[in-house]
Amino acid sequence: AQSVTQLDSHVSVSEGTPVLLRCNYSSSYSPSLFWYVQHPNKGLQLLLKYTSAATLVKGINGFEAEFKKSETSFHLTKPSAHMSDAAEYFCVVSRYGSSNTGKLIFGQGTTLQVKP
Amino acid sequence: DAGVIQSPRHEVTEMGQEVTLRCKPISGHDYLFWYRQTMMRGLELLIYFNNNVPIDDSGMPEDRFSAKMPNASFSTLKIQPSEPRDSAVYFCASRGYSSGANVLTFGAGSRLTVL
Repeated sequence: AQSVTQLDSHVSVSEGTPVLLRCNYSSSYSPSLFWYVQHPNKGLQLLLKYTSAATLVKGINGFEAEFKKSETSFHLTKPSAHMSDAAEYFCVVSRYGSSNTGKLIFGQGTTLQVKP
Repeated sequence: DAGVIQSPRHEVTEMGQEVTLRCKPISGHDYLFWYRQTMMRGLELLIYFNNNVPIDDSGMPEDRFSAKMPNASFSTLKIQPSEPRDSAVYFCASRGYSSGANVLTFGAGSRLTVL
């Protein structure tokens, strides 16, 4: 069985400071891992994805995430937060190469607040 | 491309009424998904289609829910009769071969309130 646990339901940072959103996963198979972002009243947008290639994945808007198999983690980081980064962030897992396309397992989400 | 288009964006109805949510996927995408988002349960996959054929509807909560995809450019999610516990945001998403493994493009969602 696969699952993801987002360790923080709410993270608050000041503009210009680093962002760290934590995610641990559980998977019996080689996982595909994703981070999606949801701005208020909007749909979900893909930030980045890991599919067994490079363990450090760069995404849009300056975000990146590192796949650490030994720690079963896929934390999302950004060196310097911007006000526009305030949103809900979802860590997502699926089975790599799975034919069960769309069987994405979503974490409960982390709300990122950015203070001026 | 205009992306995945959902309608209505907001729907308020009374218990017992029929609700129909609509989705137009990205042209050329061969997978279409319906998700539901609530505070209590987060994002849940309800059903997905491949080439207009329902592949997995195990997430559909009960017989009051039904989904169809009569052609490659249109899908509906229907709730009949609706109940207050159906209040949620319903997302449609699509995926094409060029999107890469399991990369979905989501619509903006339909927020349903059942009174």
